[in-house]
Amino acid sequence: QSVVTQPPSASGTPGQRVTISCSGSSSNIAGHSVAWYQQLPGMAPKLLIYDNKQRPSGVPDRFSASKSGTSASLAISGLQPDDEADYYCAVWDDSLYGVVFGGGTKLTVL
Amino acid sequence: EVQLVESGGGLVKPGESLTLSCEASGLTFNNARMTWVRQAPGKGLEWVGHIKTKTDGGTIDYAAPLKGRFTLARDDSKNTLYLQMNNLRTEDTALYYCSARIYVNSARSDYWGQGTLVTVSS
Repeated sequence: QSVVTQPPSASGTPGQRVTISCSGSSSNIAGHSVAWYQQLPGMAPKLLIYDNKQRPSGVPDRFSASKSGTSASLAISGLQPDDEADYYCAVWDDSLYGVVFGGGTKLTVL
Repeated sequence: EVQLVESGGGLVKPGESLTLSCEASGLTFNNARMTWVRQAPGKGLEWVGHIKTKTDGGTIDYAAPLKGRFTLARDDSKNTLYLQMNNLRTEDTALYYCSARIYVNSARSDYWGQGTLVTVSS
C-alpha cells in the first residue's frame, strides 16, 4: 500500500474531461513537487507533468495538473482512445527519504 | 536521439546476485540524474533509487526497503549506470527500467529504457 493514494480506475468517453487524484500527506505532496507519468500497455512510462504543473516538450496541453495542500490531480481534456493507459503520480517523501509512486490509475476510454 | 539500453537481467535463484547495466547515448550523460524504477508483473511502479550528477554532489538515494542489498553506481566515462543487487528474493522479480533526467534551459526531460527482466525463482 503506497503512502500516496490514487483511485485504481477511471473512465470517460471520447471528448470528455477526466481527472485523476493523488492524495498524500505533509511528508510528501505538501512539501514537494509532484510528477505524473503515463504508461501505455506494454510500454515504458512517459513523463507527462513535472513540478506540479509543468509539461515537458511534446506533451499536449490537453494534459494539465495542479496541486493543493496534500493532494494533486491530473486532468485530461478532449479524451482520446490513445489516452487509455495507466497513470502514476510520484513525489519525494521525507519520512521514507525516497520517491514514492502512487498505486496507479487505469484509465479506460469507453 | 536519446537511447537508454538496459541489460543484465535474467533468471537467478534466491540469495544470488545480479548486476544490471544501463548504457546511454544521445545525451550528455554526466549531466543526467539517473534512476532505476522497477515494476513487478501486473503491478505498479516502484522507485528503486537514483544517483545525482557529480555537479549535484553525486548523492545516491535508495528506497528504504532495498537499502543494504542494492547498490547504484555510474561510470560517466562509459555513459553507463549500474545496479548491483545482492541476496535477491522472489519479490525482487520485476522489469527494471532505467531513466535519465536532464534539464535544458530549466525545462525537464525524462528518458526511459525498455527495461530488463529479472526473475528470482528456485
